[in-house]
Amino acid sequence: DAGVIQSPRHEVTEMGQEVTLRCKPISGHNSLFWYRQTMMRGLELLIYFNNNVPIDDSGMPEDRFSAKMPNASFSTLKIQPSEPRDSAVYFCASSSPREGDTQYFGPGTRLTVL
Amino acid sequence: GQSLEQPSEVTAVEGAIVQINCTYQTSGFYGLSWYQQHDGGAPTFLSYNALDGLEETGRFSSFLSRSDSYGYLLLQELQMKDSASYFCAVYNDYKLSFGAGTTVTVRA
Repeated sequence: DAGVIQSPRHEVTEMGQEVTLRCKPISGHNSLFWYRQTMMRGLELLIYFNNNVPIDDSGMPEDRFSAKMPNASFSTLKIQPSEPRDSAVYFCASSSPREGDTQYFGPGTRLTVL
Repeated sequence: GQSLEQPSEVTAVEGAIVQINCTYQTSGFYGLSWYQQHDGGAPTFLSYNALDGLEETGRFSSFLSRSDSYGYLLLQELQMKDSASYFCAVYNDYKLSFGAGTTVTVRA
């Protein structure tokens, strides 16, 4: 299996621009998670989808952040407009009850907002 | 909410044994997970304890005491490649809440 796939791996943008991060979960996994990792705040859960439905978005920092999962094999995290404080590594993870709900992480997208 | 405490750094020599402790406070506790993350890489699952006791997987073992809200990760026969950050994470329902991580540095 290819594992969780994320794109792009690196993104550099200017303040005010829209940023879209993409994730393809492991085939057959029905849960998808978006995390953000920074030195200051560590690894934080942003949003959780189950069977393509957002279940918990309490970690989404503010209205500038939105996430969608139009089908079982694709999710996006969008930041509009981006700000320098959004600079972080964004991870997508997926899991399945058939695998004990172990979360498998993608390689991450390193976002830098100038 | 959840809170987890683990040491920020540990240094040891090759071949040594390292124990990383994790204490937690949470509601609706299902279990304790451990993840490894190399610099610039993604968190990688190491172990999961739902019940009290010791789980052994090769050179790594993990322990849980639910009554003490305490667990640890034991790294044996340390190798240079074990230099990484190690995170404990409490699992309640679907949600993983991560500690701040312990940076393990292995010296020759």
